[in-house]
Amino acid sequence: GQSLEQPSEVTAVEGAIVQINCTYQTSGFYGLSWYQQHDGGAPTFLSYNGLDGLEETGRFSSFLSRSDSYGYLLLQELQMKDSASYFCAVRSSGSARQLTFGSGTQLTVLP
Amino acid sequence: KAGVTQTPRYLIKTRGQQVTLSCSPISGHRSVSWYQQTPGQGLQFLFEYFSETQRNKGNFPGRFSGRQFSNSRSEMNVSTLELGDSALYLCASSLAASVGNTIYFGEGSWLTVV
Repeated sequence: GQSLEQPSEVTAVEGAIVQINCTYQTSGFYGLSWYQQHDGGAPTFLSYNGLDGLEETGRFSSFLSRSDSYGYLLLQELQMKDSASYFCAVRSSGSARQLTFGSGTQLTVLP
Repeated sequence: KAGVTQTPRYLIKTRGQQVTLSCSPISGHRSVSWYQQTPGQGLQFLFEYFSETQRNKGNFPGRFSGRQFSNSRSEMNVSTLELGDSALYLCASSLAASVGNTIYFGEGSWLTVV
């Protein structure tokens, strides 16, 4: 099966840069994705890395290194509205191909 | 186009009862997956359906079941409810099954078991 580890909480101030790490254990997978969930809301897709390297989408960037079984989400120019939970996820390429999520990182942005 | 719609949004049930939750996927999406989310926990995969067939199943007891209809709408059922079943149940849809990492979630159904 797959397992993903993320820090449970991260705190940063407005305007700062924060990195949320995700380490995973899986025998094979298609790629690493990130989802954002505000309190009481639905998770929404943020970013996907199918290949190693950096993907940039506005203020958000995501990175994947398959050799290190590691990825991260980088949020720049933090805004108060970025306070939310962030989940990394992988879909195994094995027989059990469900999308597996990490336990999530609660990001708090302080003024 | 309309997003994923889940009903009901909130419900309270008593231990031992059963509950049915409904999910209408985004138009054109044929894959529906269900997740359970509890406070402090991540999203725990329940099952995934595509073309009325269950493609994957998570590590949940048999009290949890689901189905998908020909119009891709899906329902999940929990029988003999326990207090620990109190959770947010999220449905997500995607175009195809078991591929890709982009799925679209509904707002969820908040279930409280008392």
